[in-house]
Amino acid sequence: GAVVSQHPSWVICKSGTSVKIECRSLDFQATTMFWYRQFPKQSLMLMATSNEGSKATYEQGVEKDKFLINHASLTLSTLTVTSAHPEDSSFYICSARVDRVANQPQHFGDGTRLSIL
Amino acid sequence: GEDVEQSLFLSVREGDSSVINCTYTDSSSTYLYWYKQEPGAGLQLLTYIFSNMDMKQDQRLTVLLNKKDKHLSLRIADTQTGDSAIYFCAEMKGGSYIPTFGRGTSLIVHP
Repeated sequence: GAVVSQHPSWVICKSGTSVKIECRSLDFQATTMFWYRQFPKQSLMLMATSNEGSKATYEQGVEKDKFLINHASLTLSTLTVTSAHPEDSSFYICSARVDRVANQPQHFGDGTRLSIL
Repeated sequence: GEDVEQSLFLSVREGDSSVINCTYTDSSSTYLYWYKQEPGAGLQLLTYIFSNMDMKQDQRLTVLLNKKDKHLSLRIADTQTGDSAIYFCAEMKGGSYIPTFGRGTSLIVHP
């Protein structure tokens, strides 16, 4: 159980394009989803916390207008990288948890590798 | 310094035991987690331990927690080549529901 599906797994596109990444919880309802960015050989950097039915909470230094997050249902959150540029190239990973109880671990998607030419 | 620290690399011979260490800073941390990341993939939850426990064993995995020293370790018995991956330690600080991750330990298993 607790499967999180992330799509697409790999995107290559031209500079200036907007890219949408989907994160779905397949067998549970996720009131909270998280979006991370991972640079090569580095840890996960939390970008934002996505709450169903409300605005996302962004971490300091993350541009809200650049990284649009929508959590329209209990099973789907999307991250849209708007007008992507080469410096946005990275590995983006989403995770989901059922509720705010501490002992519910996060379940991760398989990540999306974004390459901007 | 970092809130959660891990050594970056560990190399072991196939069949030996691997021990990956982690230190954290928040004495009020409630849960501590170990995640595994294979190349090009997301993170897979391996195991987690509640802060009032000293040890947790699950098949080949043994987690030891020294709360006094804020030290967590993951022991993998009979390490196999398929165990080669990056292992992340994470702590859930008291009052938070978002874990803090370490930078990951790259485990290399050679024949």
